[in-house]
Amino acid sequence: ILNVEQSPQSLHVQEGDSTNFTCSFPSSNFYALHWYRWETAKSPEALFVMTLNGDEKKKGRISATLNTKEGYSYLYIKGSQPEDSATYLCAFHSDRGSTLGRLYFGRGTQLTVWP
Amino acid sequence: SAVISQKPSRDICQRGTSLTIQCQVDSQVTMMFWYRQQPGQSLTLIATANQGSEATYESGFVIDKFPISRPNLTFSTLTVSNMSPEDSSIYLCSVGGGRGTYGYTFGSGTRLTVV
Repeated sequence: ILNVEQSPQSLHVQEGDSTNFTCSFPSSNFYALHWYRWETAKSPEALFVMTLNGDEKKKGRISATLNTKEGYSYLYIKGSQPEDSATYLCAFHSDRGSTLGRLYFGRGTQLTVWP
Repeated sequence: SAVISQKPSRDICQRGTSLTIQCQVDSQVTMMFWYRQQPGQSLTLIATANQGSEATYESGFVIDKFPISRPNLTFSTLTVSNMSPEDSSIYLCSVGGGRGTYGYTFGSGTRLTVV
């Protein structure tokens, strides 16, 4: 079983604060690293899919970096807003043929942004 | 990207009964995935469902407990059989980006409580 760890488990910040989360994953058999935002009673929504070591991706106030050699990714949110409140999931996408297409998820970081 | 309609959105069931969850996709897809998230745990893959063949189950999940149907390329069902309180979870179906760099699309989830 592949181990994907996320920290912190939960985070409470004030509106306007910047914050970041960590995802660690196996450094072998890597194909891609996914980030999702999951709001209560909604579907998980894809934020980023990152495949190359050193990748940096940005979507509005949210950005992510990837280090495949050491097996970690950071997600940053600049100037947090209450609508950013959600659970942020990362998922490891293995390159192994027998596990093609499968995503291995961390437990998520639950972010609450207070107005 | 694909749009998935999943139902029911939530249910409360008596132990010993069964519940069938349905997912309808608005386009034809080869692989569909079924996930479970138990309270406080990560999203865990139950099985991969391909049209025209038996579903492939992950370690710890068996067909008798979680039978899956995949009658065509746009529809799948997951049945949770002989339920116990430990089956109380969120169940999600998903279709994937395969070898691409697109995030996976998820249904909105079924929140199941077994009493």
